[in-house]
Amino acid sequence: DAEITQSPRHKITETGRQVTLACHQTWNHNNMFWYRQDLGHGLRLIHYSYGVQDTNKGEVSDGYSVSRSNTEDLPLTLESAASSQTSVYFCASSLRTGSYNEQFFGPGTRLTVL
Amino acid sequence: SQQGEEDPQALSIQEGENATMNCSYKTSINNLQWYRQNSGRGLVHLILIRSNEREKHSGRLRVTLDTSKKSSSLLITASRAADTASYFCATAWLEYGNKLVFGAGTILRVKS
Repeated sequence: DAEITQSPRHKITETGRQVTLACHQTWNHNNMFWYRQDLGHGLRLIHYSYGVQDTNKGEVSDGYSVSRSNTEDLPLTLESAASSQTSVYFCASSLRTGSYNEQFFGPGTRLTVL
Repeated sequence: SQQGEEDPQALSIQEGENATMNCSYKTSINNLQWYRQNSGRGLVHLILIRSNEREKHSGRLRVTLDTSKKSSSLLITASRAADTASYFCATAWLEYGNKLVFGAGTILRVKS
C-alpha cells in the first residue's frame, strides 16, 4: 500500500547543529508539504513543493530549507537548530495542485532542541 | 491571520451522544476540509465541502458550511470512544495558491 513515512520519529539535538528530517512518499504525489505543530497554533506551513526542483516558502520558513530532487522525497533541513524549533513536524502530500485535494500526512517527527 | 478557528477548544461527552464542533474563518474560501488527529499520530482527512455546497454527509459525520457567516460545523453522531481525538478544520482559497491553512483544533474526549 502507498504510504508516507518520516524519519526519525524522535530526535534530540543541540542548539546550533544542523538537522535533517526525512519525508518519503510512495503515492507518486506531485505536491509535498512540511508543517510544524505547536500547542495553540495548530499546523503552520514551513515549506512546500509542487514538483521536482520546485520549492516554496510557507508561513514560518525562517531557519528551514528544503530540496526536491525526486518525486518521492522532500527532506527538511534546520540550518542551525534553535530552541524555538522544538516542535512536532509533519510531512504531507497531495495529488495535484488545486484545492480539491486531500492531504495525506506522515506520522510526524518530534524534535527537541536543547 | 487567515487561520480558521475552532470552537470549543475542548469537548467532553458520553459515548452515544452527539458532538458538534465549529470552525470560523476570515476570508472567502474555495473549500473547507476537516481532519482528525489521534494522539501521537498524523492527521487523517475526514471530509471536504466546497464553497458552493451547504451540507455533506459521510457515515456518522455531517458537515455544514455557511459562507455568509464564514463558518462550518462538524457533527459526529452517536459518538464512540474511538472518536476521541483532535479535530481540525482547514481552509483553502485561491489567493493563497490553494494551500491549506489549519485552525488550532478541538480536542474531543468521548467517555465510555
